[in-house]
Amino acid sequence: NAGVTQTPKFRVLKTGQSMTLLCAQDMNHEYMYWYRQDPGMGLRLIHYSVGEGTTAKGEVPDGYNVSRLKKQNFLLGLESAAPSQTSVYFCASSDAGSWNQPQHFGDGTRLSIL
Amino acid sequence: GENVEQHPSTLSVQEGDSAVIKCTYSDSASNYFPWYKQELGKRPQLIIDIRSNVGEKKDQRIAVTLNKTAKHFSLHITETQPEDSAVYFCAAMPGTASKLTFGTGTRLQVTL
Repeated sequence: NAGVTQTPKFRVLKTGQSMTLLCAQDMNHEYMYWYRQDPGMGLRLIHYSVGEGTTAKGEVPDGYNVSRLKKQNFLLGLESAAPSQTSVYFCASSDAGSWNQPQHFGDGTRLSIL
Repeated sequence: GENVEQHPSTLSVQEGDSAVIKCTYSDSASNYFPWYKQELGKRPQLIIDIRSNVGEKKDQRIAVTLNKTAKHFSLHITETQPEDSAVYFCAAMPGTASKLTFGTGTRLQVTL
């Protein structure tokens, strides 16, 4: 049971390049989330999904797109990377339960945009 | 939307002392309040959570208290140890939503 797996772990991009971050979970969770973490700003929600085929905007969605074609995968895309998107990106997942359920995080992706 | 404020931003205590981190939230509909610990370069890990139907929850040296009237909740760590040194995040989730709003974190340093 791997939990939440993020790939890649590190990436350096040039301004204007595109890339996709992959998040995979093997816990059969309904909900999945993408956060970015910047120094002194905690974790900010980019986009999230409450089920296969659904996505919704979070607090800081601009410049990112997401897709949830399969329940176990949640993809985060940067169409035209900008230096302001240099950050550590975390994916998380949680069960749907009657009471709000804990979120489980992946190990993160360190992304640098030059 | 929900807004979570966390204080202090840094906290230094001596080994064996207690540490308290406080958070306030704005949305009275919030009913789930987890706390995460993040060591340097690692993922956030859930250490304790509380739901709005209880006022306090304990797990060994860690406890969380919730005051719904004042809209604040606190993390208490007793008998601190060097391995408690990390960044701690509080968060809140409204009952009608499925997303967490995080505080900005508290860097706890436990000195010998």
